[in-house]
Amino acid sequence: QKEVEQNSGPLSVPEGAIASLNCTYSDRVSQSFFWYRQYSGKSPELIMSIYSNGDKEDGRFTAQLNKASQYVSLLIRDSQPSDSATYLCAVNGGRGSTLGRLYFGRGTQLTVWP
Amino acid sequence: GAVVSQHPSRVICKSGTSVKIECRSLDFQATTMFWYRQFPKQSLMLMATSNEGSKATYEQGVEKDKFLINHASLTLSTLTVTSAHPEDSSFYICSARDPSDSSYNSPLHFGNGTRLTVT
Repeated sequence: QKEVEQNSGPLSVPEGAIASLNCTYSDRVSQSFFWYRQYSGKSPELIMSIYSNGDKEDGRFTAQLNKASQYVSLLIRDSQPSDSATYLCAVNGGRGSTLGRLYFGRGTQLTVWP
Repeated sequence: GAVVSQHPSRVICKSGTSVKIECRSLDFQATTMFWYRQFPKQSLMLMATSNEGSKATYEQGVEKDKFLINHASLTLSTLTVTSAHPEDSSFYICSARDPSDSSYNSPLHFGNGTRLTVT
């Protein structure tokens, strides 16, 4: 499976701080990138999609993509205890037999303490 | 987004038995569904791509005779774990694309998952 690497956690931040999550991927031709949030014992839920280089903002979340560096990140502003979860980076396969398949990183566990 | 329903949510079975997990697309047709497996503290690993009306495509290292996938209708895909063993205990999750955007680059939406425990 395609390699998707995430910065090792766990990550712990105080309430109101900015949480920064990073991800690198190996398939240079991948075209779409996603961040999912997964609470313990639950299935992943989509929080952000990004397709073009640069920043994409949605509420307190900002995704950043740099295809030349094969790097994607997620910033969570004004972190809340309810943001405590595991964040999964996912990358779409870009060609051939991998086209359309979504590959995941190991995830970064985030804890926001009050 | 697309709603994918998975059943059962939890199942406990004895070693050597088979278990069937159902994945349904609610209010939309899914020609393709994806099955993932997740061990504790691990990432989601793609097991196979389920294609309506044709054979599933399995990822490297996944035994197709052990993990039988059937996608007989546009709203139902099933995964059967045959002759289950304790090492098959895992969280199995199916997914599909939103029908409003079925391009290869669109995100997947996941069912609630099935927690399988083999004793």
